[in-house]
Amino acid sequence: QKEVEQNSGPLSVPEGAIASLNCTYSDRGSQSFFWYRQYSGKSPELIMFIYSNGDKEDGRFTAQLNKASQYVSLLIRDSQPSDSATYLCAVNGLGNDMRFGAGTRLTVKP
Amino acid sequence: NAGVTQTPKFRILKIGQSMTLQCTQDMNHNYMYWYRQDPGMGLKLIYYSVGAGITDKGEVPNGYNVSRSTTEDFPLRLELAAPSQTSVYFCASSGSTEAFFGQGTRLTVV
Repeated sequence: QKEVEQNSGPLSVPEGAIASLNCTYSDRGSQSFFWYRQYSGKSPELIMFIYSNGDKEDGRFTAQLNKASQYVSLLIRDSQPSDSATYLCAVNGLGNDMRFGAGTRLTVKP
Repeated sequence: NAGVTQTPKFRILKIGQSMTLQCTQDMNHNYMYWYRQDPGMGLKLIYYSVGAGITDKGEVPNGYNVSRSTTEDFPLRLELAAPSQTSVYFCASSGSTEAFFGQGTRLTVV
């Protein structure tokens, strides 16, 4: 059974702080990794994707991948109240069967 | 460019009834997915398809069926609806990277 696990939270950080979100996966054959954001009552939307070990930065967001440890994380710098949402980690295996974790609810307090 | 279109948006079904959730994408994507999302939870993969004529089971396929006769359409069939199928259903499509989601179908089985 392919598993994607996230800290369920909730996670609360003050405005301007760094929010750190973590995800582990069980399928060593996994090829690509995604972070989606989902506002309440809305569809998920992509924040970042990462394929290779290391860091990938896009504005205030940094994704980190460590395939040996089967671990992917998302850092949000200078967190804003508008970042308050549920963050979903998704992992795509060799069969392109994209699976999601349970999500981490983030609240950024002004 | 409509993206991923799901119909209906809302539906109330009686126990034992059947229905089809429609999903159409106009991005010529090979990969299509059906997920369900229970309150406060992540997305669970029901079925997915890597191209026309090819479908495969995900994590929670029981009680559902799919077909993929064209690249554009990926309908999800519920036979003999049960209260446990009350959920929000998302259809998604993907090319080589991110998945694009439809607006979701909120289904209640009573």
